[in-house]
Amino acid sequence: TQLLEQSPQFLSIQEGENLTVYCNSSSVFSSLQWYRQEPGEGPVLLVTVVTGGEVKKLKRLTFQFGDARKDSSLHITAAQPGDTGLYLCAGKETGNQFYFGTGTSLTVIP
Amino acid sequence: EADIYQTPRYLVIGTGKKITLECSQTMGHDKMYWYQQDPGMELHLIHYSYGVNSTEKGDLSSESTVSRIRTEHFPLTLESARPSHTSQYLCASSESYGISYEQYFGPGTRLTVT
Repeated sequence: TQLLEQSPQFLSIQEGENLTVYCNSSSVFSSLQWYRQEPGEGPVLLVTVVTGGEVKKLKRLTFQFGDARKDSSLHITAAQPGDTGLYLCAGKETGNQFYFGTGTSLTVIP
Repeated sequence: EADIYQTPRYLVIGTGKKITLECSQTMGHDKMYWYQQDPGMELHLIHYSYGVNSTEKGDLSSESTVSRIRTEHFPLTLESARPSHTSQYLCASSESYGISYEQYFGPGTRLTVT
């Protein structure tokens, strides 16, 4: 059973464009994380959100946790080729396991 | 900078061989995890540990086994490798306190079974 669905699955955009990636679930999470993974490497944590409605900014990246703590979004402003990678959300329920989303593969074309 | 290491980074091995994938972390984390990932796809949890002598199977059924004799070390073993085991294996660790439980990942081991 897939708890976290990400959309879109693939995204190819031109440098300078804006984009939003979505992470949706019917489950409530105590915290939600966003990771970026480059080919041949492990995922690297970008941000953790824990409060419903929380918004965090990391330079050109804006992360939002839904009010009900069931969904999240990642918005990138003025995308750059260095943003290329696989973006993964991961939610933690009340137990100890993390559940990873289906992933969004982003390509930013120079 | 996370201090979690995996060896080997790449492994090509024949069917039927026994292999052990190593994972070590120097952060003193109690919780450690093994994930399996096909290229560009989601991560599937195959094993996790809450501390020494504690191991549990994850959501994805796996023929591999793990052990946790020391806090810093969480090796994964395949007794008899098969082509269906070809994948990337990622090890991670996290703290036991707080509510965020952020995970730190190693670079992964890409396994190919011929």
